[in-house]
Amino acid sequence: AQTVTQSQPEMSVQEAETVTLSCTYDTSESDYYLFWYKQPPSRQMILVIRQEAYKQQNATENRFSVNFQKAAKSFSLKISDSQLGDAAMYFCAYGGANSKLTFGKGITLSVRP
Amino acid sequence: DAGITQSPRHKVTETGTPVTLRCHQTENHRYMYWYRQDPGHGLRLIHYSYGVKDTDKGEVSDGYSVSRSKTEDFLLTLESATSSQTSVYFCAISESGLGNEQFFGPGTRLTVL
Repeated sequence: AQTVTQSQPEMSVQEAETVTLSCTYDTSESDYYLFWYKQPPSRQMILVIRQEAYKQQNATENRFSVNFQKAAKSFSLKISDSQLGDAAMYFCAYGGANSKLTFGKGITLSVRP
Repeated sequence: DAGITQSPRHKVTETGTPVTLRCHQTENHRYMYWYRQDPGHGLRLIHYSYGVKDTDKGEVSDGYSVSRSKTEDFLLTLESATSSQTSVYFCAISESGLGNEQFFGPGTRLTVL
């Protein structure tokens, strides 16, 4: 079974600074996808970024980028120029051949003005 | 935004009573999922469906049943609610399996007294 580990329960960043959220996973599959979801206080789950395992190039979406290290099974999210609206809980998720997502426990990010 | 609604949005019930949560989509997506979210556990899959009348168990399926008689509706039933089933329940949909983004509903907060 696949597992996703987010070892840091909380992080804090100064507004306009950069922060990196870590995630590791374990799998024996060769074809899979990785996701970061954001959950603001509204509780709505929002996709931030997606990475295909077969692509070596790291995904980027505006201020959000990932550092995907396939051999190390590591998938970290970097948020540049942090904004107050980035404050939320962030979940790393693994999607494999069975069409299901396995989520990490999440990390709460606070942004200091 | 993907057309996903959940009803009810909030429910308080007593131990031993049956409860049914409804997820309705207007996107005609094939896959539908039910998750529960609890502090310290992230999101955990309860059941999912890969087509009308096609369902399978997730990680935490004990005490829950599902039904999908139409593409647009996916019902989650707690036959006899227990206090351990107090949680926030999310429905999600996906157009296909591997690699596709899951779109989430707004969630249902269920309290079992």
